[in-house]
Amino acid sequence: QKEVEQNSGPLSVPEGAIASLNCTYSDRGSQSFFWYRQYSGKSPELIMSIYSNGDKEDGRFTAQLNKASQYVSLLIRDSQPSDSATYLCAVKLEGGSQGNLIFGKGTKLSVKP
Amino acid sequence: EPEVTQTPSHQVTQMGQEVILRCVPISNHLYFYWYRQILGQKVEFLVSFYNNEISEKSEIFDDQFSVERPDGSNFTLKIRSTKLEDSAMYFCASTRGDTDTQYFGPGTRLTVL
Repeated sequence: QKEVEQNSGPLSVPEGAIASLNCTYSDRGSQSFFWYRQYSGKSPELIMSIYSNGDKEDGRFTAQLNKASQYVSLLIRDSQPSDSATYLCAVKLEGGSQGNLIFGKGTKLSVKP
Repeated sequence: EPEVTQTPSHQVTQMGQEVILRCVPISNHLYFYWYRQILGQKVEFLVSFYNNEISEKSEIFDDQFSVERPDGSNFTLKIRSTKLEDSAMYFCASTRGDTDTQYFGPGTRLTVL
């Protein structure tokens, strides 16, 4: 059974702080890794994709991947109340365009003003 | 910016009835997906579709489900005889052939009474 695990939270951080979200996955053959943000009642919205070990930065967001540890994380710097949402980690097994995503249950983030 | 669209936004049906959920993927995308999310649970893959045929399907996608691309723009999910446990948000997603980033539509909330 291919699994993606996340702490469900809620994770509460004050405005301006760094939020750290973590995800582990079970299949060592996984190729692609994604972070999606989901507001309540809405669809997943892509934040970041990462494919290689190391860090990838995009604005206030940094994704980190460690394939040896089967671990991927998302850091949100200068957290804003508008960042309050559920963050979904998703993993794709196959390389290339094909292949479905396996999602974790998501971590609920609350940013307090 | 092009978006995946889905109709209807909310569908209420009686158990045993057939429903068709509709999606218009982004126009130059080649791979299409259906996912579902039962309230409070993780996003689950149902089926992927490429070149007018199913590429992959999950255990959830049993004989009650079917997909079709009836024309050059629409992508539909049919549930032949709905059950109470089919109540969920259904998301359509699509991706281009040169990248594996999946873009999600806004979803259809299906309520089976």
